[in-house]
Parts: sequence; structure tokens; C-alpha cells
Amino acid sequence: QSVLTQPPSASGSPGQSVTISCTGTSSDVGGYNYVSWYQQHPGKAPKLMIYEVNKRPSGVPDRFSGSKSGNTASLTVSGLQAEDEADYYCCSYAGSKFYVFGSGTKVTVL
Amino acid sequence: EVQLGESGGGLIQPGGSLRLSCAASGFTVASNYMSWVRQAPGKGLEWVSVIYTGGGTYYADSVKGRFTFSRDNSKNTLFLQMDSLRAEDTAVYYCARGYGGNSWGYWGQGTLVTVSS
Repeated sequence: QSVLTQPPSASGSPGQSVTISCTGTSSDVGGYNYVSWYQQHPGKAPKLMIYEVNKRPSGVPDRFSGSKSGNTASLTVSGLQAEDEADYYCCSYAGSKFYVFGSGTKVTVL
Repeated sequence: EVQLGESGGGLIQPGGSLRLSCAASGFTVASNYMSWVRQAPGKGLEWVSVIYTGGGTYYADSVKGRFTFSRDNSKNTLFLQMDSLRAEDTAVYYCARGYGGNSWGYWGQGTLVTVSS
């Protein structure tokens, strides 16, 4: 059960877009369309932003979008806003009732 | 409104045991898949365990054989029994409710477990 690989940091100016990658293997990210993304502000619980690769829960702005190609999933935040500054984690179902999270990416709004 | 509230964390010596609770309201735990996720200080999220509606439980390799996930349907409460605790189990422990497609859509505020002598 290895951790999915994410870049440690990403940044962008207000209004710009930032894309975060999440790389796994054919046993997790590449094997299932069960990739989800979570936003976590300091001292707070994680918040679900994307599920099943590209679906948004109600209440999540459409500035957040997800995609997947092969063993790599991506989260794109368009029209960056100050409140988007947070840590972001991907998560994938890994078969046999196991789940694996990504290493996390700190997004900074310049 | 869906709410989850963890309790039971604290300071425990290595080798000791602790039982965490997660009280749920606004939904029925028995009708949902639920998970425990932990986060060591300054570190990332780590999936710990899941319980499905049928009662089946599964664990990360790092806790298998030491942790036990259970639920009390009458109290609508989840439990995580943690035995043989190690320093590396120090973390904030969150309980979370399944949403769709094997994701976790509702989270508690977390409870801190510190394993230290």
C-alpha cells in the first residue's frame, strides 16, 4: 500500500489556474475510476472536492475539475481565489477493500 | 444534517491500548460505509480502516492485527480499538462517511492520539 505521488507544492496568482498531479499504478489510480480529491485548510478536517475522477459534490464550485489518464489523475483549480490556498490530497481505491492517499500538495495563491 | 464527532483520544504509553469513538447523527451508520483516516503531526492523510454495511472490516497493513473497527447500531456509534500502540500511531484520527464511488464525503473534527512515554 504505497502512497500516491503528488508534487509537494504548486502556486498561482489570483485568477490563474493550477493543476496538481497524482501518480499511482495500474493497481490503484489506473485500475479504477475511484479517484477523489480533498481540500484541507490548516487545523481543519479534509473536505471532499472531487469523487469518481471528475464528479463534484453539491456546493463545490465548478472551478474545481478532475481528470485521469492512465495511472495519473489530476485536479485543476481554475480562477484561483485566496480561499483556495490549502493542502490537497488525492485518494484512490486500490482493490481488495483498500484505499490509498496521495502525499499531499500545498497550493499557494501568490 | 450529517454530523460526526470523535472522542477518546489522549496520551498513552507505547504498548498501551485506547478506544476511539465516533458518534454519528443525521444518518444511520449501519447503512453507510465508514472509515477511519489518520494524520500524523505535519504529515499527510493515511487511510486506516473501513467498515461496510454488511459489517466486513478491512485494515491498512500498518495497523492490521492491532486495530479493530466496530460499530454499535443501537447507539449509531463507531469504535476503533487500538492495541499495542506505537509511537508511529501518533496522529489525529478522523472518522469519515462514504459518499459516492469510494470517496469520503463527511468528516468529523478529529481526535488526537499521542503515543509517548
